[in-house]
Amino acid sequence: QQPVQSPQAVILREGEDAVINCSSSKALYSVHWYRQKHGEAPIFLMILLKGGEQKGHDKISASFNEKKQQSSLYLTASQLSYSGTYFCGTERTDSWGKFQFGAGTQVVVTP
Amino acid sequence: SQTIHQWPATLVQPVGSPLSLECTVEGTSNPNLYWYRQAAGRGLQLLFYSVGIGQISSEVPQNLSASRPQDRQFILSSKKLLLSDSGFYLCAWSFLGQPQHFGDGTRLSIL
Repeated sequence: QQPVQSPQAVILREGEDAVINCSSSKALYSVHWYRQKHGEAPIFLMILLKGGEQKGHDKISASFNEKKQQSSLYLTASQLSYSGTYFCGTERTDSWGKFQFGAGTQVVVTP
Repeated sequence: SQTIHQWPATLVQPVGSPLSLECTVEGTSNPNLYWYRQAAGRGLQLLFYSVGIGQISSEVPQNLSASRPQDRQFILSSKKLLLSDSGFYLCAWSFLGQPQHFGDGTRLSIL
């Protein structure tokens, strides 16, 4: 089963913060986060491999709670360039090689 | 450095016609290979993945098939296309715990 993402969409003003959540019903080996602009391939943001790990990229960071099989992506002080659709992707410990994406969260940042 | 080639960029096919999309990877060996489909405004649906030559896992029962005749070649095929096969097809490669690297995608329209 694919991971579950929430919310489906979020509208922000520049400078505001947002959180996107991703959860799985199965144990995870890794969680990935990608951003996709319309008509383009997804762009890799970050990967989290260890439980409780947090990583950051500019003002975008993420956490991974291995026990709860959940990850969250944090958009801090959002910029116009943050607009796009964000996907989490997961590798499960019981499915070697299988990689699945969540349904996506559309983020719109307005001036 | 590793590169991934996917072609063609766009394709218009009549209903009932065959399909062959090819993806090749350079600069790495024995990668995991993936085919995804994205309908307009939707998420990335995993269609097939392969962890080695001749090893194909199918995720969605449909009229599509995939083959991996060589280590770095992944082919998506159909004998008879349906209207519902329209979408944006993405090939990707990765290793366990590492980012997915995407091709530029093929935009397939069925008439």
